[in-house]
Amino acid sequence: GAGVSQSPSNKVTEKGKDVELRCDPISGHTALYWYRQSLGQGLEFLIYFQGNSAPDKSGLPSDRFSAERTGGSVSTLTIQRTQQEDSAVYLCASSPPGQGTGNTIYFGEGSWLTVV
Amino acid sequence: DAKTTQPPSMDCAEGRAANLPCNHSTISGNEYVYWYRQIHSQGPQYIIHGLKNNETNEMASLIITEDRKSSTLILPHATLRDTAVYYCIVSLSSNDYKLSFGAGTTVTVRA
Repeated sequence: GAGVSQSPSNKVTEKGKDVELRCDPISGHTALYWYRQSLGQGLEFLIYFQGNSAPDKSGLPSDRFSAERTGGSVSTLTIQRTQQEDSAVYLCASSPPGQGTGNTIYFGEGSWLTVV
Repeated sequence: DAKTTQPPSMDCAEGRAANLPCNHSTISGNEYVYWYRQIHSQGPQYIIHGLKNNETNEMASLIITEDRKSSTLILPHATLRDTAVYYCIVSLSSNDYKLSFGAGTTVTVRA
C-alpha cells in the first residue's frame, strides 16, 4: 500500500502567518509522530499520537505549535504566527500496532517549510 | 548524552560491501539497535533492527557483537543509490518514539 503521505511538500510563508501541514499515515497504523529537522541537523521529536490515548505533546517547542488527529487517521500540524526559526523540514511518521519485536517507524517525505 | 557513536563519513566503491560500524556501549538489555538512512531531500528510511541475534533482510545485514556494545551494518553490494546518511540508534521495543538521530555516517558510494 501507499506510504506516509504529507502535504504540502513545500511551503513558503511570510513571517507571522499561520500554516497547516497535513499527514496521512499508512492505513492501519495506530501510532503517528511529528518530527522536525532543521538544515543539517538531526531529528527533533514534536508530538506523538497513539490510538485514542491522549497525545504526548512534550516535544512541541512553543504554544504556537499544535496538532490534532481526526478519526485516528489524518493529522494536521498547525504553526501559528510563524517565525523564521520555524523554517525546517517537518516529518510525519507512523507505525503499526503491537509489534512484538520493536517499533518500526515509517517516515513520509516531509513538508519543507520556509518562513521569509 | 549520545547513545551511539558512528564515524562521520566513509567512502565505498560501487559493487563492494559497505561495513558501517556503530558503538553503543551503554545499551540496556531491552533496547534494540535500529538503522535508518536518509537520502538527500527525503525522509528517513527504515533499514533493519535487531536485539541480540544477527539479522538480514533484502536491504542489509546487521551484525551485533555478543556483548551488544557495538554493531555493524553491512550493505552487501553498494550502489550509487545507497549514498545517504546512515543513522544507528538504540530504542526500546515499545513507546520509545522520541527517536534521537545523531549526526550519523555520511556514506558516499563512488563508481
